[in-house]
Amino acid sequence: EDQVTQSPEALRLQEGESSSLNCSYTVSGLRGLFWYRQDPGKGPEFLFTLYSAGEEKEKERLKATLTKKESFLHITAPKPEDSATYLCAVNVGGWGAQKLVFGQGTRLTINP
Amino acid sequence: EADIYQTPRYLVIGTGKKITLECSQTMGHDKMYWYQQDPGMELHLIHYSYGVNSTEKGDLSSESTVSRIRTEHFPLTLESARPSHTSQYLCASSGSRGPNTEAFFGQGTRLTVV
Repeated sequence: EDQVTQSPEALRLQEGESSSLNCSYTVSGLRGLFWYRQDPGKGPEFLFTLYSAGEEKEKERLKATLTKKESFLHITAPKPEDSATYLCAVNVGGWGAQKLVFGQGTRLTINP
Repeated sequence: EADIYQTPRYLVIGTGKKITLECSQTMGHDKMYWYQQDPGMELHLIHYSYGVNSTEKGDLSSESTVSRIRTEHFPLTLESARPSHTSQYLCASSGSRGPNTEAFFGQGTRLTVV
């Protein structure tokens, strides 16, 4: 069974305190791993797609990395506006349509 | 900014009523999706569409139905709402650059059935 597990469930940091969020997955065929940000009452907002082990992508204070069994979202010197739930998802669909399996998310709070 | 819209944003309705949740996108995407998300839980795919006149069921069984008569429109219907249908429903769309093309999500409809 395709499964995505995120840890920790919740994380509180002080502004400027760097950390990492983990996403581990067991899928029959990985066709891309996605990171999304979700603010309360809103839909997920796309951050990164990673395709193969060893790949890394960066955007502002965020950096995503991928290995064969897990992905990390590194947050460097976070600010209060980085507070959100971060979702990891893997695509288990084929070329026809994207079928995402999501983890439960990590709820990140950055205190000023 | 992604142009995908869902209406209504919030809906409180009585048991047994028929409801339709609207989803429209202006990006010309051929693929569209419906996800269901309970509070604090993960999103689950309930329906998807490859294009006009194409609809498929997702991994999570749902009593809802969908239609895709126009590229930009992908409504979800519940013929007879029940309290167990209370949840957030998120619509998404993606383009045709392969399976790893990112999906853009709407703001969601929070449905409460009383």
